[in-house]
Parts: sequence; C-alpha cells; structure tokens
Amino acid sequence: NAGVTQTPKFQVLKTGQSMTLQCAQDMNHNSMYWYRQDPGMGLRLIYYSASEGTTDKGEVPNGYNVSRLNKREFSLRLESAAPSQTSVYFCASSEVGLPSSSSYEQYFGPGTRLTVT
Amino acid sequence: LAKTTQPISMDSYEGQEVNITCSHNNIATNDYITWYQQFPSQGPRFIIQGYKTKVTNEVASLFIPADRKSSTLSLPRVSLSDTAVYYCLVEGSGGYNKLIFGAGTRLAVHP
Repeated sequence: NAGVTQTPKFQVLKTGQSMTLQCAQDMNHNSMYWYRQDPGMGLRLIYYSASEGTTDKGEVPNGYNVSRLNKREFSLRLESAAPSQTSVYFCASSEVGLPSSSSYEQYFGPGTRLTVT
Repeated sequence: LAKTTQPISMDSYEGQEVNITCSHNNIATNDYITWYQQFPSQGPRFIIQGYKTKVTNEVASLFIPADRKSSTLSLPRVSLSDTAVYYCLVEGSGGYNKLIFGAGTRLAVHP
C-alpha cells in the first residue's frame, strides 16, 4: 500500500496563477483533510471531507477550494495564488473522522512545498 | 477552540527517558488525546492515543490524570532518531475546531 500520495512534491507559482494539488489514498478511508504548515508552526486545517461527496471548511479556508472526486481522491485548488499561500501543504486521511467520531488516527502524505513569488 | 499548550523545545541524551507534557484545560468529555511525531520534510506520524489513565504501545506511553486537563507522552530510552517535533492534539466530534495542532515540542536528542 502506498498510503497517502501527493503531487506535485514542489511547485513555484507567480502571483495570480492557479493550480491544483492532488491527493490520493489507497486505504479505503472515509475522511480526508488538507492542512498547511508554515515555518515553525503547527498544521492548520484548510478543508476536510468527512465522506465522499461532502466537504467542509476548516480553520483557514479563504483562497482555497476543494473537490472530493471520489473516495480515494481529494484535491485542493488555488484559484489565484498569493505570496501568503507560500507553505507546505499536507493531505491526510482517516478511517472515520469529523464530525461524528471522537477517535481517529490520521495518515499523512509527504507534503507539497509551494512557493508563490 | 480546543487549544493545547506544550513546551517549545526540549533536550535530552541518548538512553534517557523523555516526558513531554501537554496542557488541554478545556477538553470535552468525549475527546481523545493524540500525539503525532514529525521529522523534517515529512508529514506527521501517529504515535499514540488515549482517553484516560495509561496507554502503552511499542514506542511510547501516554499518561492521563483523572481530570484529563493534561497528558504526558513518555519516550523510553530515546535515541538520535527520536529527534523530531511532537504534537499533542485533542480530537473529538463536533467540528474542525477539534483538529488544532499547536506549534509542537521540538525534541533534540544528543549523543
């Protein structure tokens, strides 16, 4: 099993450009998440998907959109990139999760390092 | 928001036991406490999770007092490869405010 995979690993964008970060999991998990991590800080939740067909905003959703394409895939789109979106983006999945469960182990991908100039 | 407080950094030496304490004063009745480990340039990795008293697995122990307002991750006999950032997370139902990763504790293990 590959676990959680993310593409691309690195990306440089100019301000105003758009791009989609891809995430896929092969563990048949129901819930998926997108986080961003800025230098020296913890992870902040951007969006999550409790199950196929549903998405909800997290702590920092502004400037992002998501699509839960199917049970395996959860993509994050930046419509008009800004320097403030320079960060490392992590995708994660769990068997169950928000909003109903109290106990769930998240599996994280390797991250996408995004720089916006 | 469910907020946790941890020390910013800790130092230890190979072979010692390391205890990292996390404060979570506003933990709810049905919340679990989870610890993750993160190495540079990698995503966090689940270490251990607990609800009350003590939980032990092959890599760590988690101690949770009766009031559940804090928890302590214990790493026995650390090695250089345990150098990482450790995050305490309070997870529970009810919404995204239960998924708050703080800045974590940066553990440095020295030879």
